[in-house]
Amino acid sequence: DTEVTQTPKHLVMGMTNKKSLKCEQHMGHRAMYWYKQKAKKPPELMFVYSYEKLSINESVPSRFSPECPNSSLLNLHLHALQPEDSALYLCASSFGQGEGYEQYFGPGTRLTVT
Amino acid sequence: RKEVEQDPGPFNVPEGATVAFNCTYSNSASQSFFWYRQDCRKEPKLLMSVYSSGNEDGRFTAQLNRASQYISLLIRDSKLSDSATYLCVVDEATNAGKSTFGDGTTLTVKP
Repeated sequence: DTEVTQTPKHLVMGMTNKKSLKCEQHMGHRAMYWYKQKAKKPPELMFVYSYEKLSINESVPSRFSPECPNSSLLNLHLHALQPEDSALYLCASSFGQGEGYEQYFGPGTRLTVT
Repeated sequence: RKEVEQDPGPFNVPEGATVAFNCTYSNSASQSFFWYRQDCRKEPKLLMSVYSSGNEDGRFTAQLNRASQYISLLIRDSKLSDSATYLCVVDEATNAGKSTFGDGTTLTVKP
């Protein structure tokens, strides 16, 4: 079963709100990723966790705060977002971090910041 | 120059046609290559990994040319359901775990 789940599917939030996106996988994968995708653009990597430790942060603004409570869960905490942060946020996982490991994506959370 | 470049498209083909997409990459040390498809407002789904010897999965064939630093995807006997955006993905050899996506090529298969 190559399933990555994400909640919520849709989220509308104001610029002063605090919200969290959640991602879960039960494939035994040890690497998990957050991507941001704007319309008609490819996914842009935000963060990578490997064995529950943050290994890559693509200079993402601090209003986005990732958390990996355990090997199956990945959260993205949002605070004081801007309208330009509206996008599809995709979670992915892979067996390991590195070359040759295929990533499997969740369905995404469509975020609108008002 | 972008790290990963794809045919800009869009490609509009009739059912049953054969269509090929190319993707070039700039980092000669890259080792891992993938094709994903993404339907409108959906997540990317892995279509196939690309191996040095080339690989085939039904109507889909992927090739890798290291000398020229490009990969290709051939779709034979196109179906309406093949309509999607196809993303070329290259793993950076120097930054393990960081995948670089091409901008994608949109394919529309028409009856």
